Amino acid sequence: EDQVTQSPEALRLQEGESSSLNCSYTVSGLRGLFWYRQDPGKGPEFLFTLYSAGEEKEKERLKATLTKKESFLHITAPKPEDSATYLCAVQSTGNQFYFGTGTSLTVIP
Amino acid sequence: KAGVTQTPRYLIKTRGQQVTLSCSPISGHRSVSWYQQTPGQGLQFLFEYFSETQRNKGNFPGRFSGRQFSNSRSEMNVSTLELGDSALYLCASRGLGSYGETQYFGPGTRLLVL
Repeated sequence: EDQVTQSPEALRLQEGESSSLNCSYTVSGLRGLFWYRQDPGKGPEFLFTLYSAGEEKEKERLKATLTKKESFLHITAPKPEDSATYLCAVQSTGNQFYFGTGTSLTVIP
Repeated sequence: KAGVTQTPRYLIKTRGQQVTLSCSPISGHRSVSWYQQTPGQGLQFLFEYFSETQRNKGNFPGRFSGRQFSNSRSEMNVSTLELGDSALYLCASRGLGSYGETQYFGPGTRLLVL
């Protein structure tokens, strides 16, 4: 069964305290892995796409990495404005998207 | 380019009624997907339309239906509303961006069923 699991469900960090979010997946064939940020009451905002193991993408304080079975979203020296829910999704070779339930990140000043 | 737009943004309905939600994708995108998002279940895939044809369908009852028009705009209909249909309904258009093929989401329609 195609499945995406994110951990932890919730994460509280002090401003400047770096950490990582995890996305593990089982899918029959991977076309791509996506990270989104979602603020309360809004639609998910696209962050990164990763296509193959070993690939890395960076944007400001965020860096996404991909292995054969999981992806990590590393947050370096986070700020309060990084507080949001981070969603991971995989696109299968069957062209379906499967989403995890997200990690709710709170960064405390 | 303008982003994905959804109307209305908020809706309150009562059980048994039906509702129609609208989505306009990013210009040039021909694929539109619909998702239901609830706190307990996360994002659940409803269906995808491509060039006016349903390409994929999730595990939702037949009360949930959709269609796509020749201009790629899409509508989603829910008949005989139930309390459990209260959710944020998200539309996403898919197309090639700077990072390859990606889904871009609209702001969502918040549906409350009383």
